[in-house]
Amino acid sequence: QAGLTQPPSVSEGLKQTATLTCTGNSNNVGNQGAAWLQQHQGHPPKLLSYRNNNRPSGISERFSASRSGNTASLTITALQPEDEADYYCSAWDSSLSAWVFGGGTKLTVL
Amino acid sequence: QLQLQESGPGLVKPSETLSLTCTVSGGSISSSSFHWGWIRQPPGKGLDWIASIYYSGSAYYNPSLKSRVTISVDTSKNQFSLKLNSVTAADTAVYYCARQYDFWGQGALVTVSS
Repeated sequence: QAGLTQPPSVSEGLKQTATLTCTGNSNNVGNQGAAWLQQHQGHPPKLLSYRNNNRPSGISERFSASRSGNTASLTITALQPEDEADYYCSAWDSSLSAWVFGGGTKLTVL
Repeated sequence: QLQLQESGPGLVKPSETLSLTCTVSGGSISSSSFHWGWIRQPPGKGLDWIASIYYSGSAYYNPSLKSRVTISVDTSKNQFSLKLNSVTAADTAVYYCARQYDFWGQGALVTVSS
């Protein structure tokens, strides 16, 4: 079962902006922030951001992450058809000494 | 470029032990302070963290799986491994190894069935 809470689905129009959320607690998201992963069907996940807004090399600036309290957010601007995917957040939980995942959000680009 | 590759049986019988190995190439498993982990994804479902290990051997486990899981590292072979015992059909999933979370293997489908 998921330790972090994500909305199951989000839909936004082409070239619009989508904001995905990930809610945890002070032991995980509120402590060290979250990583965001994108997964297309049949492929392994791809890291988009870690510890809130550190983007790995090669990740578009259209993807930006932030955190407010115990909630992390991923904002995707200028939505493209290829952004349609499942998005997961994950964080280290210091009380569990374990990584926790959100249940994932399916982003649909209309 | 770091590459990870999962290997192991694709079919395991119920009550037996699932064993997978992740071979890391293009870099040393002991040269960086990352978690090396196993994550699984049941068909049509989300990601589920199983366990992680540092090159030093410090291991961390999903509390819900801890009693059945062992993760280990072999720095001489640049590999880390997963053992999950007493498997049931609920353990059927694609199993990924990863340098959490920037490099991933392609995933290995493991089916638990008699």
